[in-house]
Amino acid sequence: EDKVVQSPLSLVVHEGDTVTLNCSYEVTNFRSLLWYKQEKKAPTFLFMLTSSGIEKKSGRLSSILDKKELSSILNITATQTGDSAIYLCAVAVMGTSGSRLTFGEGTQLTVNP
Amino acid sequence: DTEVTQTPKHLVMGMTNKKSLKCEQHMGHRAMYWYKQKAKKPPELMFVYSYEKLSINESVPSRFSPECPNSSLLHLHLHALQPEDSALYLCASSYPGQALYEQYFGPGTRLTVT
Repeated sequence: EDKVVQSPLSLVVHEGDTVTLNCSYEVTNFRSLLWYKQEKKAPTFLFMLTSSGIEKKSGRLSSILDKKELSSILNITATQTGDSAIYLCAVAVMGTSGSRLTFGEGTQLTVNP
Repeated sequence: DTEVTQTPKHLVMGMTNKKSLKCEQHMGHRAMYWYKQKAKKPPELMFVYSYEKLSINESVPSRFSPECPNSSLLHLHLHALQPEDSALYLCASSYPGQALYEQYFGPGTRLTVT
């Protein structure tokens, strides 16, 4: 059975701190790894990673995939209260019926002023 | 336009009611998905449509019935639901093929079954 594990499950920091969120996976037919941010409603797409070792950046957020270690990290520098959300890691796999996402449990990030 | 829209935003229904959820996208995506999300849990895949054909049904009870009349539109028909079906129902879409395209999510329908 495909498995995606995120850590920590919960994190509380102060504005300005840097955080690192972790995601590890055990899946068959790996295709890509995705990071989403979920506030009150729908998950919003952050990054999709397919190649090992290539960092993707968007403002204060960055992410990298390590296919050898079957893991990925999401870094957020100079955190702001608006970064408070659940960060979801999902792995896209190709099954016999088609492609699907398997989600981790998420990391609840709280950034205090 | 990277928007997936869903209606209604909230729905309260009794166990004997029949209702439908609607999802639309105009990004030219040909894969559409229904997910169920309970509080403090990740989304769980229910159904996948690829090129308007049902390609994945995750052993969802028959009281949930999906329909994809065209590439932009997806419905989830609900009948004789149970209180434990109360959840956030999310629709998503992507380009199909090889799991190499990101899924974009709609805002969800918050369903309460009384």
